[in-house]
Amino acid sequence: KQEVTQIPAALSVPEGENLVLNCSFTDSAIYNLQWFRQDPGKGLTSLLLIQSSQREQTSGRLNASLDKSSGRSTLYIAASQPGDSATYLCAVKDKAAGNKLTFGGGTRVLVKP
Amino acid sequence: DTAVSQTPKYLVTQMGNDKSIKCEQNLGHDTMYWYKQDSKKFLKIMFSYNNKELIINETVPNRFSPKSPDKAHLNLHINSLELGDSAVYFCASSNRDRAPGGYTFGSGTRLTVV
Repeated sequence: KQEVTQIPAALSVPEGENLVLNCSFTDSAIYNLQWFRQDPGKGLTSLLLIQSSQREQTSGRLNASLDKSSGRSTLYIAASQPGDSATYLCAVKDKAAGNKLTFGGGTRVLVKP
Repeated sequence: DTAVSQTPKYLVTQMGNDKSIKCEQNLGHDTMYWYKQDSKKFLKIMFSYNNKELIINETVPNRFSPKSPDKAHLNLHINSLELGDSAVYFCASSNRDRAPGGYTFGSGTRLTVV
């Protein structure tokens, strides 16, 4: 059974500092890995999607890496801004079990002005 | 032009009532899902339909019944609502086996049972 873990659970940084969010998963037989952002009381916004054959994806200040063999992904957010404050969720799409998306518990980020 | 839309956004109801949440996607995806986000904000899959066929049915009370009239719609009906059913329910869609295969989520339905 796939298990996804995100460390740390919460993170507080001053504005301008780079953010590093970690995600690990137990079963490497995945189709892809997706990073989402969730603001309080809101839905999920997809940030980056990395296919199992890829090593990284970039979008603006965001960069996500994937090491499938070790079951790890890292989301980097450069030069953080107060608007980056949110919960960041990592999720993997399994090849088995109906291709369902299994989520980590999230990292709650606070960027202080 | 909303990709995955679900209604209602908020639902407050009394214990014992029956309620439905509707979901529609216009992305042409072949698979739709219902996820539940509990009070601790953990997201867990409930059901998945691929081209109107149920393919995932996690350990969910049989008071919850999904219905997929076509591959663009997946509704969730809940009978005899209980206090513990209070949560945020998210609908999502993706292509099951075709790349890129990313998920798109609706904005959620906050269900409060009183």
